[in-house]
Amino acid sequence: TQLLEQSPQFLSIQEGENLTVYCNSSSVFSSLQWYRQEPGEGPVLLVTVVTGGEVKKLKRLTFQFGDARKDSSLHITAAQPGDTGLYLCAGALWGGGADGLTFGKGTHLIIQP
Amino acid sequence: EAGVAQSPRYKIIEKRQSVAFWCNPISGHATLYWYQQILGQGPKLLIQFQNNGVVDDSQLPKDRFSAERLKGVDSTLKIQPAKLEDSAVYLCASSRPLSGTEAFFGQGTRLTVV
Repeated sequence: TQLLEQSPQFLSIQEGENLTVYCNSSSVFSSLQWYRQEPGEGPVLLVTVVTGGEVKKLKRLTFQFGDARKDSSLHITAAQPGDTGLYLCAGALWGGGADGLTFGKGTHLIIQP
Repeated sequence: EAGVAQSPRYKIIEKRQSVAFWCNPISGHATLYWYQQILGQGPKLLIQFQNNGVVDDSQLPKDRFSAERLKGVDSTLKIQPAKLEDSAVYLCASSRPLSGTEAFFGQGTRLTVV
């Protein structure tokens, strides 16, 4: 079973459009992270959210952590071709101590010029 | 600050052969992870070290995979013997020793088993 479910799995949109991708779980997390991965590279951290209900903005990207700490969303405004990549959410389980991050399968995002 | 170094970048082997990957984490990072990433999917944790001790290896196929982190710095991951389904990118990451701390990833080793 997949601890973190990401949706959609694939998304292809035109430049300038808005989009939202989701990361859902039945488990509670002490924190959730979003990473972006380009082909041939390792994932790179975009943001960490730690408080239930927290909203963080990074230029055109808005991240939200659910009130119950079980889900998160990433919203991109006015998408650009440079946003193309694999977006991964990763969580540290509540009470997990020094446990490693659990990753979702990712959302493959393609922004067409 | 130097990033996480991994080698080799690419490896092609025949099934039943052995292979080893090497990782040098960021200086001062006590936690080291090995992840397996199958094409098109998210990384799956294989093993986590805290210094030179194993914290979690519950998803490591121990009949064929082994990993060590002697002296608590660099690490090697070995597969012996390899199977076709082991074809994947093997990512090494390191972080400071707190749950949920940012993990810094290397570029990975792409393994193809033929």
